[in-house]
Amino acid sequence: GAVVSQHPSWVICKSGTSVKIECRSLDFQATTMFWYRQFPKQSLMLMATSNEGSKATYEQGVEKDKFLINHASLTLSTLTVTSAHPEDSSFYICSGGNGVSVAKNIQYFGAGTRLSVL
Amino acid sequence: GEDVEQSLFLSVREGDSSVINCTYTDSSSTYLYWYKQEPGAGLQLLTYIFSNMDMKQDQRLTVLLNKKDKHLSLRIADTQTGDSAIYFCAENQAGTALIFGKGTTLSVSS
Repeated sequence: GAVVSQHPSWVICKSGTSVKIECRSLDFQATTMFWYRQFPKQSLMLMATSNEGSKATYEQGVEKDKFLINHASLTLSTLTVTSAHPEDSSFYICSGGNGVSVAKNIQYFGAGTRLSVL
Repeated sequence: GEDVEQSLFLSVREGDSSVINCTYTDSSSTYLYWYKQEPGAGLQLLTYIFSNMDMKQDQRLTVLLNKKDKHLSLRIADTQTGDSAIYFCAENQAGTALIFGKGTTLSVSS
């Protein structure tokens, strides 16, 4: 099946620093990338949707200036957590989708990035 | 808004069948999914069903969909200790983000 490679898998950083998370679709063109966040013992909550070449659409309550999303190519999307604080510590997961046909609507998830902000 | 509900815990013995249930509210859902998440890992797509199907079977996994009651279930036959994980039910319409339930923690004892 299709693969989404997400890096890094785990990052620990000091409060106030910025962290970039990358998601690459290895064998398909991800026209759309979704970014989710998962707090402990909670479900995944959608943060934003990005379409290649367009500005990301953020969900209510998600600060676009804090969580910068770039989707400059069909195979790469990045999420930058700017000026990270301990409350941003979470599990961040991306998923890619490549169309609306029955076969292509399935979204493939990265392995996730565990962010710990000290 | 749309909502997906699941029971939080299920405990079974090795070799038994597990049935994880899910209800959803969005009648326009087109696709319904089951994902598996092991500790510290990302999501693994187990199976999905299109809304015009009633049942889908894939080896040990059987998905049943009751569209009238907006009820989805996942049956795992001959449950093994390696099946212990969190199972998420999710739904969406074509091309949109998934709406997830809170996940059911399956514990398999030997």
